[in-house]
Amino acid sequence: DAMVIQNPRYQVTQFGKPVTLSCSQTLNHNVMYWYQQKSSQAPKLLFHYYDKDFNNEADTPDNFQSRRPNTSFCFLDIRSPGLGDAAMYLCATSRDHRGHVFGPGTRLTVT
Amino acid sequence: GQQLNQSPQSMFIQEGEDVSMNCTSSSIFNTWLWYKQDPGEGPVLLIALYKAGELTSNGRLTAQFGITRKDSFLNISASIPSDVGIYFCAGGYSGGGADGLTFGKGTHLIIQP
Repeated sequence: DAMVIQNPRYQVTQFGKPVTLSCSQTLNHNVMYWYQQKSSQAPKLLFHYYDKDFNNEADTPDNFQSRRPNTSFCFLDIRSPGLGDAAMYLCATSRDHRGHVFGPGTRLTVT
Repeated sequence: GQQLNQSPQSMFIQEGEDVSMNCTSSSIFNTWLWYKQDPGEGPVLLIALYKAGELTSNGRLTAQFGITRKDSFLNISASIPSDVGIYFCAGGYSGGGADGLTFGKGTHLIIQP
């Protein structure tokens, strides 16, 4: 089945230690997004790639970076995680912003 | 920035009852999506709406894209225990552009036996 895959499902990192979350898709969608969802809150868009074009939301901290080496993969890098970065990170894909499909998420814990 | 007001925040209903929730926006969207999220999982798309006035059904679920493009509702008929979860509305722009989805704060559906 075509899908969005996120690895790992659970990630524990130490305060200030860089961490990378990964996302892959078999849908051949041209747009890939990263959302942050804190407990009991709605998902919040961090940034997205429209094909190879990177689009950053204005209020996304510089601590968050992303890479998309090819159509299928997208990475979220957190350069120096703080306690406030503990959250669920959701990857999503779409074809020209139609029919967003979400992955299962990676829950990040910062110790 | 854009804001979506989703209501109600939570609903306590009996199994078999119908459910209705809605979202309103201060801005126009050309896409309205409804998702259900279970604990520890990603949102699952229920219904996607792409045209003002569009009314779409998916089994017991029905959703409409408001004619003003600033609102949408979701109805669930004859609720069952597996309907429990958090329902999110989301507004977006399809066909290109710089934005992803803006989400409402969610409606927490609780079904009492």
